[in-house]
Amino acid sequence: EAEVAQSPRYKITEKSQAVAFWCDPISGHATLYWYRQILGQGPELLVQFQDESVVDDSQLPKDRFSAERLKGVDSTLKIQPAELGDSAMYLCASSPGTGKGTEAFFGQGTRLTVV
Amino acid sequence: GENVEQHPSTLSVQEGDSAVIKCTYSDSASNYFPWYKQELGKRPQLIIDIRSNVGEKKDQRIAVTLNKTAKHFSLHITETQPEDSAVYFCAALRNFGNEKLTFGTGTRLTIIP
Repeated sequence: EAEVAQSPRYKITEKSQAVAFWCDPISGHATLYWYRQILGQGPELLVQFQDESVVDDSQLPKDRFSAERLKGVDSTLKIQPAELGDSAMYLCASSPGTGKGTEAFFGQGTRLTVV
Repeated sequence: GENVEQHPSTLSVQEGDSAVIKCTYSDSASNYFPWYKQELGKRPQLIIDIRSNVGEKKDQRIAVTLNKTAKHFSLHITETQPEDSAVYFCAALRNFGNEKLTFGTGTRLTIIP
């Protein structure tokens, strides 16, 4: 069964350092989401891609966060510099895209701890 | 943008009883409403979904109802079992133009043996 792949599963970093997360969506899925989930809360959308284009990054703290999906396949989310408040689970999800089905499939997530 | 509110934030029920979780949404253009279950330390997984042209959908012990006029939808779990203990998230998606999937804040369901 196809799955969304994320790495690393866990990351501990010192504040002010740079950190990057990687996501490989299910093959053929045009829509890719990055969510941040703070313990005990619902996933909060950070950025959404349709193929290689950003369609929503209104909640992305652009002074420190960046995301790219250069070839419309896998994606990287970067934080520089990391702050203590960035500690959270970062979830990637993908779906077929508009008009092709709507179920979003989640990866296992990357748990980030900033110390 | 879309705003999804979910209640209650925590819910405890006796094993065998029913559990109901309710959500409201703000964007009348939303037309797809999935429910996800997230067990501790695991990814959210879809358990049931409903589209705006349907009022109710059932899958064994799980059912979802949708009231488009009132803009609310609910998850119903009957004959609850210990393995139903988890956090449940509702979501709403606007599926024209660019899709946008917005989640509720979650309900922690605990089944008491």
